[in-house]
Amino acid sequence: GIQVEQSPPDLILQEGANSTLRCNFSDSVNNLQWFHQNPWGQLINLFYIPSGTKQNGRLSATTVATERYSLLYISSSQTTDSGVYFCAVGWSNNDMRFGAGTRLTVKP
Amino acid sequence: KAGVTQTPRYLIKTRGQQVTLSCSPISGHRSVSWYQQTPGQGLQFLFEYFSETQRNKGNFPGRFSGRQFSNSRSEMNVSTLELGDSALYLCASSSRTKGTQYFGPGTRLLVL
Repeated sequence: GIQVEQSPPDLILQEGANSTLRCNFSDSVNNLQWFHQNPWGQLINLFYIPSGTKQNGRLSATTVATERYSLLYISSSQTTDSGVYFCAVGWSNNDMRFGAGTRLTVKP
Repeated sequence: KAGVTQTPRYLIKTRGQQVTLSCSPISGHRSVSWYQQTPGQGLQFLFEYFSETQRNKGNFPGRFSGRQFSNSRSEMNVSTLELGDSALYLCASSSRTKGTQYFGPGTRLLVL
């Protein structure tokens, strides 16, 4: 099956810093989503981005489907950005494969 | 619109018992997917239902089953519980079979 690799596995930032999270996948997909899981386990959808670039406030994402990777940018990080960031890829919502996640800690 | 709701939120069972978890999707959403999250295996797809039909199932034993009702609410059942079934069970709803998924808060199951 498709392999999903996220990097870095852990990231520690000072409040206000910027960061880039990466998601590599081993096969072509047409369904890619980024999620943030807060410390209570709630998964929040950040982007549905099978290709192209999207922005939502301090967050933006770019997927280059032909090169099989996606990037999530977080600017001016805040302590509330802490948590685990997952990317999930597939062809449909019934075959989504999640990466292992990037654990982000933002220190005040 | 109300978000995805899951009941119960916490559950403690013993080995050999069975359990039923419930998920109510966002109003109007017809696709419901279930996932298991454990520290060792991460987030794994269990199954997806769309308009009361199971469209796909992940690599889980037959002890894991589910169904979807005409109002799109879904239930998943785990029979003959094993210690390794302890996990956070998440459901997600979507308006389409491919698109943004919205997750519920999850059910934390502990098997003793």
